[in-house]
Amino acid sequence: DAGVTQSPTHLIKTRGQQVTLRCSPKSGHDTVSWYQQALGQGPQFIFQYYEEEERQRGNFPDRFSGHQFPNYSSELNVNALLLGDSALYLCASSLRDRGWTEAFFGQGTRLTVV
Amino acid sequence: GDSVTQMEGPVTLSEEAFLTINCTYTATGYPSLFWYVQYPGEGLQLLLKATKADDKGSNKGFEATYRKETTSFHLEKGSVQVSDSAVYFCALAYTGRRALTFGSGTRLQVQP
Repeated sequence: DAGVTQSPTHLIKTRGQQVTLRCSPKSGHDTVSWYQQALGQGPQFIFQYYEEEERQRGNFPDRFSGHQFPNYSSELNVNALLLGDSALYLCASSLRDRGWTEAFFGQGTRLTVV
Repeated sequence: GDSVTQMEGPVTLSEEAFLTINCTYTATGYPSLFWYVQYPGEGLQLLLKATKADDKGSNKGFEATYRKETTSFHLEKGSVQVSDSAVYFCALAYTGRRALTFGSGTRLQVQP
């Protein structure tokens, strides 16, 4: 079982650019959540996708958007990047019927905005 | 709103010492409580959980008890090892809602 996989592992972007991060959930999982973890902080919830729809959103601007595909994989898109978007972006997957609160996390994508 | 507060780190211990990492929470309802661990260069791993008051979660020698009266979920281990060095996150979540709320994390350093 490959677990939750994220790509790329590291990324450097310039202010104002757009970025797409990708996540493949753990086998058998149908729900994907995205979190932003700033340096020295705990992860902050961005949004969650289930059945290809955004089901809940945290306190993040519309520059952050996502998508879930029929195979349950997901993308996180960030437009008009700001320096403050530099962080570790974590993807978590879960199985809705088994209790979505028990999430399995990927290793994350380290985004640096310069 | 809901929040989780953890003791600031780093916590530095010698091998075989007793570990306590404090976690308190503020919640409007009755959440489930979790401890996640993040080893260097890795994602978060679920360490243990408790779903209701007085439940004790345990795993790999770590324990935590859900104390509603003190709104706490302190993490303990009787004898730490160098391999336990990591960042530990306390978190809460509600059944029916979809987000985990995390504390800011506590770094544990265990010296041989």
